[in-house]
Amino acid sequence: EPEVTQTPSHQVTQMGQEVILRCVPISNHLYFYWYRQILGQKVEFLVSFYNNEISEKSEIFDDQFSVERPDGSNFTLKIRSTKLEDSAMYFCASHRTPTPADTQYFGPGTRLTVL
Amino acid sequence: LAKTTQPISMDSYEGQEVNITCSHNNIATNDYITWYQQFPSQGPRFIIQGYKTKVTNEVASLFIPADRKSSTLSLPRVSLSDTAVYYCLVGDINSGNTPLVFGKGTRLSVIA
Repeated sequence: EPEVTQTPSHQVTQMGQEVILRCVPISNHLYFYWYRQILGQKVEFLVSFYNNEISEKSEIFDDQFSVERPDGSNFTLKIRSTKLEDSAMYFCASHRTPTPADTQYFGPGTRLTVL
Repeated sequence: LAKTTQPISMDSYEGQEVNITCSHNNIATNDYITWYQQFPSQGPRFIIQGYKTKVTNEVASLFIPADRKSSTLSLPRVSLSDTAVYYCLVGDINSGNTPLVFGKGTRLSVIA
């Protein structure tokens, strides 16, 4: 079964540093998402992306965040200047079409630790 | 978005059937009901989805009464590997490109 992959599985960084989290969505999917989950808390939506532009973003997704689809396969989340509170699991998700109730497939996540 | 309410946690012994009920009193006509499962340190995984009556797949069954104000996820004969958090989500069937909104879910612990 095709799956969403994410790298790295764990990223440790110093506060103020830039990080790039990478995702490879399922190959024929067109809609992409980033979510995050702080330890012990809910999964929260960050941003959705379609046709090379952001479709929707949450209030969490402020100016320090950006997303990009640099080629036909990768989908990246950049955090420009990390803060301690950015420590979380970051999940990439994708789905194929905007048809009703299309299932989102999630990757295994990247655990980001900001020291 | 219809608000959902689920029990915070449930315990079960191996081999038992587990039923997790989700309440969604304000569900709209266009809303589908979807359940996801999340293991520790992994991404959520789709389990089952339905609109009304009963849906069954190889993993679970979903029961939705006629008024659709609640739904019940049924896991037959659970094993230790079914220990996870289960989320009930309600979303508009006409908005496929919509972010999922997760609540706190139900933490199921299966005991040997």
